[in-house]
Amino acid sequence: GAGVSQSPRYKVAKRGQDVALRCDPISGHVSLFWYQQALGQGPEFLTYFQNEAQLDKSGLPSDRFFAERPEGSVSTLKIQRTQQEDSAVYLCASSSRAWGADTQYFGPGTRLTVL
Amino acid sequence: EDKVVQSPLSLVVHEGDTVTLNCSYEVTNFRSLLWYKQEKKAPTFLFMLTSSGIEKKSGRLSSILDKKELFSILNITATQTGDSAVYLCAAADAGKSTFGDGTTLTVKP
Repeated sequence: GAGVSQSPRYKVAKRGQDVALRCDPISGHVSLFWYQQALGQGPEFLTYFQNEAQLDKSGLPSDRFFAERPEGSVSTLKIQRTQQEDSAVYLCASSSRAWGADTQYFGPGTRLTVL
Repeated sequence: EDKVVQSPLSLVVHEGDTVTLNCSYEVTNFRSLLWYKQEKKAPTFLFMLTSSGIEKKSGRLSSILDKKELFSILNITATQTGDSAVYLCAAADAGKSTFGDGTTLTVKP
């Protein structure tokens, strides 16, 4: 595709609900990243995939957060039993290189609001 | 713990002014320093720096990295209202990028 796409763009969840956020990276991009961005702050790293392998999940804040990329393309970030502190914009980025220290192309983000 | 600090937090200038944005970093296994522009949506790429002392330029924007002092600057000359945005700096290792909280630049006509 022309760029990274994410869906939904906006999600409102009641506390305790499970949510799933989708990322479609640029076609052929090897690396995929998830970030969480709170209002007024920079993006915070959550997890990194190289193809289908999740190489780093050190940024996932709790075991309620889970990410997968089963076929090395589309990725899903799942948050179970959402809490108010999970409210943020979730950004996905992809890169053509097999290692991360290169230009990352960001999607528009999913704004999650937990009530 | 990896850390990136940007300064100033915010800056208000008038069109035509020149601005310098600062970024300091402490990242284990550092590979590159990246600058992004964010205007109420996804960050868009500006520069990637991997070598010390080599200035990268794109129009009115330029950036340089000092790997000894763990520091980078982003310069914008002859600012325009369209330059108003949050400028993010990120220090990357082989996998993740650690971002600063950004500098909010406002350019007044």
